[in-house]
Amino acid sequence: GESVGLHLPTLSVQEGDNSIINCAYSNSASDYFIWYKQESGKGPQFIIDIRSNMDKRQGQRVTVLLNKTVKHLSLQIAATQPGDSAVYFCAENHHLNSGGSNYKLTFGKGTLLTVNP
Amino acid sequence: DARVTQTPRHKVTEMGQEVTMRCQPILGHNTVFWYRQTMMQGLELLAYFRNRAPLDDSGMPKDRFSAEMPDATLATLKIQPSEPRDSAVYFCASGEGGYSPLHFGNGTRLTVT
Repeated sequence: GESVGLHLPTLSVQEGDNSIINCAYSNSASDYFIWYKQESGKGPQFIIDIRSNMDKRQGQRVTVLLNKTVKHLSLQIAATQPGDSAVYFCAENHHLNSGGSNYKLTFGKGTLLTVNP
Repeated sequence: DARVTQTPRHKVTEMGQEVTMRCQPILGHNTVFWYRQTMMQGLELLAYFRNRAPLDDSGMPKDRFSAEMPDATLATLKIQPSEPRDSAVYFCASGEGGYSPLHFGNGTRLTVT
């Protein structure tokens, strides 16, 4: 079946560097994508999202890029801080009807980001 | 900030016992999801409600798992009888549907011995 997967299970960066976390998806019907951050003992926390009619969206220190041609999603974190250390998940949203009101969110396996001081 | 509340945070039980997990979604959210997280399988969708109606529970073992929404402020996930392979963290998430993100609770860590 179709699935969401991550290229890198772990990523280690130095404090202050930029981080890039990648995600591949295979469901061409997915039209909404979300990045989540999960810290130990907590639930996934929403970071940023993007609809399939966009290829870039920026937030505070984070940018999500979407390349529909190769079905690739990335999360860029600028000036990475120790507090950014966590597992990052991409999720794809496959709407079950054309009205967009029912959807099924599928998660990738996650990437562990470690920020070294 | 409004948040999804899950109880209990931790549950240890013996095989064969009934387990009930509860979730209070964010007020005004009309979709509620139950996910299970394990190291091996990651986040798996178990069940999904919209306006309290179950829409998709294909990820849930029907013989032992059941999910309900008695009212708009409470969602429950029940396992009866529980088995050691059910040990995992169970997350509830709520959202507004459409192109909006889900908001997760901090989960119930279940250990079945």
